[in-house]
Amino acid sequence: EVELVESGGDLVQPGGSLRLSCAASGFTFSSYALTWVRQAPGKGLEWVSATSGSGGSTFYADSVKGRFTISRDNSKNTLYLQMNSLRAEDTAVYYCAKDRAWALTGIYDYWGQGTLVTVSS
Amino acid sequence: DIQMTQSPSSLSASVGDRVTITCRTSQSIGSYLNWYQQKPGKAPKLLIYAASSLQSGVPSRFSGGGSGTDFTLTISSLQSEDFATYYCQQSYSTLPYTFGQGTKLEIK
Repeated sequence: EVELVESGGDLVQPGGSLRLSCAASGFTFSSYALTWVRQAPGKGLEWVSATSGSGGSTFYADSVKGRFTISRDNSKNTLYLQMNSLRAEDTAVYYCAKDRAWALTGIYDYWGQGTLVTVSS
Repeated sequence: DIQMTQSPSSLSASVGDRVTITCRTSQSIGSYLNWYQQKPGKAPKLLIYAASSLQSGVPSRFSGGGSGTDFTLTISSLQSEDFATYYCQQSYSTLPYTFGQGTKLEIK
């Protein structure tokens, strides 16, 4: 059974940093692209960042480019999101989601339960 | 970025009703359109991909249609567990893979 478990969400001050993790099981981790999608409180879904199966290709939304870094450790079946220079508008539940293929298709067939990041002083 | 517009933003319906939600994109995306269901406090769930392909395990009362810029999600006979928020999402070649603003389906 496919499982994605996010962790690392916390309350952080503006300008601070946080690293999110997403531990995966139940599938061949390196064979699939992975994505972070966030949802601000009471709002819709926003695509944040994605990486190919090897981790060699990475992509970012303009809103986080230069501040967030996506990475993956295929030996640990874990996806990461390093978040720097955090702003109040980054406050959201962050979901990791599994793509249906090694390269990005944008079709997310499994999602984690999410982890809450709150940026506030 | 490709803009997504869902209508209606909210909808009240009864168990057994047939419901259709519409998604319009700001440019043609072929059939690169997906639909997700989200219940309060839960992660989104993939229902339909590539405009009309039913994800494994999703009941057949859900169906998708359309191509180009206009798409629909139809629930043929609403069940109590279908009351949720529905999002369309484009997965055309241009990143980011944007989502619609959501349609909240409520019990009448």
